[in-house]
Amino acid sequence: EDKVVQSPLSLVVHEGDTVTLNCSYEVTNFRSLLWYKQEKKAPTFLFMLTSSGIEKKSGRLSSILDKKELFSILNITATQTGDSAVYLCAVPNYGGATNKLIFGTGTLLAVQP
Amino acid sequence: EPEVTQTPSHQVTQMGQEVILRCVPISNHLYFYWYRQILGQKVEFLVSFYNNEISEKSEIFDDQFSVERPDGSNFTLKIRSTKLEDSAMYFCASRDRGSMNTEAFFGQGTRLTVV
Repeated sequence: EDKVVQSPLSLVVHEGDTVTLNCSYEVTNFRSLLWYKQEKKAPTFLFMLTSSGIEKKSGRLSSILDKKELFSILNITATQTGDSAVYLCAVPNYGGATNKLIFGTGTLLAVQP
Repeated sequence: EPEVTQTPSHQVTQMGQEVILRCVPISNHLYFYWYRQILGQKVEFLVSFYNNEISEKSEIFDDQFSVERPDGSNFTLKIRSTKLEDSAMYFCASRDRGSMNTEAFFGQGTRLTVV
């Protein structure tokens, strides 16, 4: 059965800290991995990773994929209180007709002032 | 920026009642999805819809659930006879056809509370 596992489940840091969130996966027909940020309601898209070893970067956030070891990390540097959210990792299941997303449980990040 | 919109944002209904959750996907998107998230649990796939028919559905999506795209813009999820365990946040998502590697965009969700 396809699965996506995230760690840690929750994390409390202080503003300015750097955090690393982990996502491992076991999915057949793997082609890509996505990171979403979920604040109050809708998951908002952060990154899509398809190639191993190529870092994607957006401001203080960056992410990388390792297709050999089947994991991805999401780094946030110089954290701010606005980074507090649940970070979701998801992998499309390309074995089906429409690439439904398989989500991990998420990592709840709380950034304290 | 185009976005997926969902209504209502919150719905409270009595057990056994029918509910319809509405979504307007991004206009040029072709794949539509419903996901749900029970409080404290992971986001789960319910159903996908393409070319005016269901493409894939999960085991959660039983005979009590149905989806429709009645007018080319709205995409609805109907629960015929709600149960307490249907209480969850329901997310609609849409995706462009494009290549296989396009991300899904999510709506703000409808929080359904069954009492």
